[in-house]
Amino acid sequence: ETGVTQTPRHLVMGMTNKKSLKCEQHLGHNAMYWYKQSAKKPLELMFVYSLEERVENNSVPSRFSPECPNSSHLFLHLHTLQPEDSALYLCASSQAPLENTGELFFGEGSRLTVL
Amino acid sequence: GNSVTQMEGPVTLSEEAFLTINCTYTATGYPSLFWYVQYPGEGLQLLLKATKADDKGSNKGFEATYRKETTSFHLEKGSVQVSDSAVYFCALNTNAGKSTFGDGTTLTVKP
Repeated sequence: ETGVTQTPRHLVMGMTNKKSLKCEQHLGHNAMYWYKQSAKKPLELMFVYSLEERVENNSVPSRFSPECPNSSHLFLHLHTLQPEDSALYLCASSQAPLENTGELFFGEGSRLTVL
Repeated sequence: GNSVTQMEGPVTLSEEAFLTINCTYTATGYPSLFWYVQYPGEGLQLLLKATKADDKGSNKGFEATYRKETTSFHLEKGSVQVSDSAVYFCALNTNAGKSTFGDGTTLTVKP
């Protein structure tokens, strides 16, 4: 496989469930990101990991918990979500997070619906 | 802080029409500039980029020129196709490693 792969592509969960989103990058990059894309809202950066350490957390509610066990894998653990958390969650990776030519490579996203 | 303002959509064009989507930015330092495209049901993918003033990025018939004097990076294509229907995002990246995105412009091309 190549690029950035996200699973599952679609997820429906109740507010009391616990689930996880998975992202895997096959590009040899050293930084990974979670973005939230909601209808009619700008793209929101949620978390940034560089060399497996979290370097950015944009005041995301604690019901979202990221995990980066190595430079190729990124998880987003979900628990007690709210209906307003329904959105497309995009994972991205890049080679140079601390240099200004860092283009992002995105996965296809996980469409989350919270009932 | 950094910001990106892009042309509000939706934009609807006929096939073979000329496309311009305006993008202006505010940034400290010397950002790199990007256009990303998101086709229906997919994630964002890089369309083109420019890393310094007066650079022109181009790909798939799309072009954008980094204009420092007007802080702009307008996207253009001479003749759009139905397959170009997508959402287009202008973005910048600074030496802090953060990407700032515009709100996206939805383009629909009709046959």
